[in-house]
Amino acid sequence: QKEVEQNSGPLSVPEGAIASLNCTYSDRGSQSFFWYRQYSGKSPELIMFIYSNGDKEDGRFTAQLNKASQYVSLLIRDSQPSDSATYLCAAGFQGAQKLVFGQGTRLTINP
Amino acid sequence: NAGVTQTPKFRILKIGQSMTLQCTQDMNHNYMYWYRQDPGMGLKLIYYSVGAGITDKGEVPNGYNVSRSTTEDFPLRLELAAPSQTSVYFCASSYSRSSAIETQYFGPGTRLLVL
Repeated sequence: QKEVEQNSGPLSVPEGAIASLNCTYSDRGSQSFFWYRQYSGKSPELIMFIYSNGDKEDGRFTAQLNKASQYVSLLIRDSQPSDSATYLCAAGFQGAQKLVFGQGTRLTINP
Repeated sequence: NAGVTQTPKFRILKIGQSMTLQCTQDMNHNYMYWYRQDPGMGLKLIYYSVGAGITDKGEVPNGYNVSRSTTEDFPLRLELAAPSQTSVYFCASSYSRSSAIETQYFGPGTRLLVL
């Protein structure tokens, strides 16, 4: 059974601080990992993906992958109220053509 | 370029009724997917297709059927609606190339309520 676990939150972070979102996965066959942002009532939109151990940065976002610990994280620097959303972690199989999603972490950025 | 479109946006069904959720993409993607998302939960894969004429089951296929006669369209059929199928349904598509990681693009979703 392929599983992806996230803390459902809510996670509350003051504006301008760093938000840290975490995710663990059960299947070592996972090849790639995705972070999606989902605003209430909207569809998921991709923030970034990572497939190599270490860090990957894109603007205010940094994804971190540790395959030995089966752990993925997303850091959001200089958090803005517009970052308030649910963040979904997904593990990819078969070249990322099949995704298994975690339950999502609800993030609130307080002005 | 509309991306992935879904119809209807919202539907109420009575138990035992049938309906088809429509999904169309205009990006010439070969892979298409159907997910359901229950309140406060992540997405669960129902069915997916790697190309016209080829479909396969995902994690939660029971109670659903799909077909893929064209590259653009991937309808999801509910034959005998049950309250457990109350959910938001998302269609997605991606372009698959071997050894490449491709993004899945999601449609706006269909909210289904079965009473």
